[in-house]
Amino acid sequence: DSGVTQTPKHLITATGQRVTLRCSPRSGDLSVYWYQQSLDQGLQFLIQYYNGEERAKGNILERFSAQQFPDLHSELNLSSLELGDSALYFCASSVHGETSGGTGELFFGEGSRLTVL
Amino acid sequence: AQKVTQAQTEISVVEKEDVTLDCVYETRDTTYYLFWYKQPPSGELVFLIRRNSFDEQNEISGRYSWNFQKSTSSFNFTITASQVVDSAVYFCALLLGGSQGNLIFGKGTKLSVKP
Repeated sequence: DSGVTQTPKHLITATGQRVTLRCSPRSGDLSVYWYQQSLDQGLQFLIQYYNGEERAKGNILERFSAQQFPDLHSELNLSSLELGDSALYFCASSVHGETSGGTGELFFGEGSRLTVL
Repeated sequence: AQKVTQAQTEISVVEKEDVTLDCVYETRDTTYYLFWYKQPPSGELVFLIRRNSFDEQNEISGRYSWNFQKSTSSFNFTITASQVVDSAVYFCALLLGGSQGNLIFGKGTKLSVKP
């Protein structure tokens, strides 16, 4: 158990819909990262927040947005869903803003599996 | 461009065999970090190791060992005396120095260990 909690574990929805994925980082971790794992693209970095502020952006679509709240939990919002958005979405956390700090490891949650029909 | 290549898509071995998972990376940066993660059938990603570009010392942790060679841009992972519980997808990843969490993952190698 990494200590990172993601909900829901599974989600099935229809094209055009909007969903919100939630992540609670490990206690004490200030950074939250979102990754997408799909069959086509593999594991891709989407976005990072550090202590409530956006710190880095990866291959995140404009239809997607995220935020980190004062209690440090994070939400990833996916809108106007398309079939290609079906994927496993991981949240990870770390103490530092850069993974090169400290032990350099990210602690990943178990993922939220999104299926768009 | 930065890239991680795991040429072995799938490997199947019999329990107690040794197995090496290959990882080749590309970057022009002099400061970078390399990682291995394990993804068991349950789906979560489990951190195994991190090395920085200035530390080419090989590492051994129980049945696991890692061989980092900058000359060949490789960071290979060997499991000695494999066990059924080692069955998983293994990912090699690259992080550039100063980068903010943008791990660049390889496509992964699926290891199946048969009893």
